[in-house]
Amino acid sequence: NIVLTQSPATLSVTPGESVSLSCRASQSISTSIHWYQQKSNESPRLLIKYASQSISGIPSRFSGSGSGTDFTLSINRVESEDFSIYYCQQSYSSLFTFGSGTKLEIK
Amino acid sequence: QVQLKESGPGLVQPSQTLSLTCTVSGFSLTSNSVHWVRQPPGKGLEWVGAIWSGGSTDYNSALKSRLSISRDTSKSQVFLKMNSLQTEDTAIYFCTRPQTGNYFDYWGQGVMVTVSS
Repeated sequence: NIVLTQSPATLSVTPGESVSLSCRASQSISTSIHWYQQKSNESPRLLIKYASQSISGIPSRFSGSGSGTDFTLSINRVESEDFSIYYCQQSYSSLFTFGSGTKLEIK
Repeated sequence: QVQLKESGPGLVQPSQTLSLTCTVSGFSLTSNSVHWVRQPPGKGLEWVGAIWSGGSTDYNSALKSRLSISRDTSKSQVFLKMNSLQTEDTAIYFCTRPQTGNYFDYWGQGVMVTVSS
């Protein structure tokens, strides 16, 4: 199975700061990585598809980059509504996997 | 519009079998796959398995020996059965539909399953 390692586990920031969240795959997966946001007691919400492709309705401050094994989700100028948990997911293999998540919290 | 809704028992005894149903609307099971994802309390997301549009299935390697996913296309329902439940199987179980590119754009609200005697 393809293992996705997210770092850091927790990121403490002040609103207005810009941040980068990392997702590393155990093998090359091209750009078959997708990012989700999950708020407490809610279902996950798709943010980015195929590493860098935007999703309709998602604020432009969210962007993604990377290919191969290293991927990054960037949030430009974090807003209060962004404090939640972020997961990456790979679809390179038909046995999908998720990363363990990064919690973005208020400093 | 696309909708998915999970249903099933909230409480299951250890060693028993879990049966969950995902009822979908707004799309056809013969054109789209449906996946199950679970989330233990306070923990991350875990992909459980999938039934593809053609009817074939894929399962999480760690759960494969205990897991079965099937469907009834006439009723627009997907079924998850997991046997030999343990307390570690306590989780919210989501069904979700991926877009063609296998990213999940629609999710059910999830159903909480507690394994306890």
